[in-house]
Amino acid sequence: SQQGEEDPQALSIQEGENATMNCSYKTSINNLQWYRQNSGRGLVHLILIRSNEREKHSGRLRVTLDTSKKSSSLLITASRAADTASYFCAPVEGTASKLTFGTGTRLQVTL
Amino acid sequence: NAGVTQTPKFQVLKTGQSMTLQCAQDMNHEYMSWYRQDPGMGLRLIHYSVGAGITDQGEVPNGYNVSRSTTEDFPLRLLSAAPSQTSVYFCASSYFGLDYEQYFGPGTRLTVT
Repeated sequence: SQQGEEDPQALSIQEGENATMNCSYKTSINNLQWYRQNSGRGLVHLILIRSNEREKHSGRLRVTLDTSKKSSSLLITASRAADTASYFCAPVEGTASKLTFGTGTRLQVTL
Repeated sequence: NAGVTQTPKFQVLKTGQSMTLQCAQDMNHEYMSWYRQDPGMGLRLIHYSVGAGITDQGEVPNGYNVSRSTTEDFPLRLLSAAPSQTSVYFCASSYFGLDYEQYFGPGTRLTVT
């Protein structure tokens, strides 16, 4: 399995602004998943996008996938202080279920 | 459903001691895994299992043992603790397949002195 590389490493925005974070990976995938981790807690699944999908929405989240560039982006619109967390992408290839993670993007949303 | 549970939440060990980190899930998931998370390193996969009686190594398996005798439980054993094993350990589970999300436990914070 391969791990994604998130960019930027850290992002600081004000409440109400949009936050965009990116993920790059190296080889063909079946799907790509995004997870959130609040400080000291376990990861929580946010959204999954399949390799034949280009865009997916879930509430204030919008995920895009460009398989030709081997990249994905996660957009959080109208950020809230509660969105402060680390965000990880996990590209899934080959056999199922085994996920590996990069170092994530640390998002800080200030009032 | 309780989801994925881990015990203990915190543990301090002396170098050379052994212990078992417990992980249980009540969602009938076939797949279970253990990760460790160190500052600035993201999560690294230690061991995983695709069903009872089947386990395999991840990226960083040295110093850890696992077994999977039931679908529900996936304990992680530290045979002889070392300071390098100071970390936060997370257990995760999911259905086995390509399009399933993983559910994570709350973590165990382990310090080895």
